[in-house]
Amino acid sequence: LAKTTQPISMDSYEGQEVNITCSHNNIATNDYITWYQQFPSQGPRFIIQGYKTKVTNEVASLFIPADRKSSTLSLPRVSLSDTAVYYCLVGDSGNTGKLIFGQGTTLQVKP
Amino acid sequence: DTEVTQTPKHLVMGMTNKKSLKCEQHMGHRAMYWYKQKAKKPPELMFVYSYEKLSINESVPSRFSPECPNSSLLNLHLHALQPEDSALYLCASSQFGTANTEAFFGQGTRLTVV
Repeated sequence: LAKTTQPISMDSYEGQEVNITCSHNNIATNDYITWYQQFPSQGPRFIIQGYKTKVTNEVASLFIPADRKSSTLSLPRVSLSDTAVYYCLVGDSGNTGKLIFGQGTTLQVKP
Repeated sequence: DTEVTQTPKHLVMGMTNKKSLKCEQHMGHRAMYWYKQKAKKPPELMFVYSYEKLSINESVPSRFSPECPNSSLLNLHLHALQPEDSALYLCASSQFGTANTEAFFGQGTRLTVV
């Protein structure tokens, strides 16, 4: 399984754009990159998934360079309610069904 | 309905008790998961069921016993737990059971072993 590395924590202010980068040097050809958000005492929630280039939905954008060895989750104009832990996961191309979480990034949004 | 429902939300049990955690989804997903999460740590995979059969056991102690009675239900039977087993237990489901598909998580059961 490809290992992911993210910053342990980040701080931001309301209204700013936040970019969280994840490193996955050993990503396999068939692997997708998926980001989850987790609030305290709740289950993780899917944010966005991508394979290459750029993916955008109503809450975030995901930028993936051509070599796919890293990815960046971009949250536009964060609010206090975006304070959470963000996890980057890389798919298991062996299709064993393992969904493995790395250490995650704790984002603290300040007023 | 895109919900994964877990019951109970909170559970306190003694080390000699037997209890069960329940998980239910009606999205037609064929893969279901159990995770354990300690405070300020990431979720840790315990078991994966694919098409109602146990496909992954991450070397979990036998005091945790999973069961999948049908495609919508997943149970986790608990027996002779230790205080260090206190944690948030999360259930999840996904359509195809691969890490490349979106997983839906329940709110979890907060377990305290006394």
